[in-house]
Amino acid sequence: EADIYQTPRYLVIGTGKKITLECSQTMGHDKMYWYQQDPGMELHLIHYSYGVNSTEKGDLSSESTVSRIRTEHFPLTLESARPSHTSQYLCASSPIWTSARTDTQYFGPGTRLTVL
Amino acid sequence: KNQVEQSPQSLIILEGKNCTLQCNYTVSPFSNLRWYKQDTGRGPVSLTIMTFSENTKSNGRYTATLDADTKQSSLHITASQLSDSASYICVVSDRGSTLGRLYFGRGTQLTVWP
Repeated sequence: EADIYQTPRYLVIGTGKKITLECSQTMGHDKMYWYQQDPGMELHLIHYSYGVNSTEKGDLSSESTVSRIRTEHFPLTLESARPSHTSQYLCASSPIWTSARTDTQYFGPGTRLTVL
Repeated sequence: KNQVEQSPQSLIILEGKNCTLQCNYTVSPFSNLRWYKQDTGRGPVSLTIMTFSENTKSNGRYTATLDADTKQSSLHITASQLSDSASYICVVSDRGSTLGRLYFGRGTQLTVWP
């Protein structure tokens, strides 16, 4: 079982609210990721980080922002939530790449966000 | 264009039966292929990971195969259980390095009926 946690698990908020989705891992992984997943669709990478003070945008354009001040913590913030942000948000982490055989990501349980 | 295609999109089987899920990819260069199981409302959990030189990998009742020449993989589930009901996602990594990018399939939704 991976030691990666996300809070809250479910969130229902009104349009225009600022929200922060929390993600933390206790495995000491340098790499962390945020994915967005809609029902029946593939995961889309929205942000990633290779370590402290490193953040990059992913493939899917997102109005969210992230920060990486501590290795174990990778929060995602939406300054003004809209109904189009309704989705499942998955956080993942992985260790520094050592070999193709051990290269894998560990996912958190996800946050189901609904914006009314 | 690098892509990962999975079939079938959904599958219903009876408890105790076997099934096979398919994954075709066009990702190049190729580093590894992973199968994940994702329960409803949860994050994906890794089942198997295979590199270019591996053509089969087992994890309990799950057996994955890889044909790197035809760029096809399959996940075979033996003696299915109700707890196998989930989405099974095929993920391909395009290079062996920290900069490797992942390509996700849309998953096969498996339902096991009693």
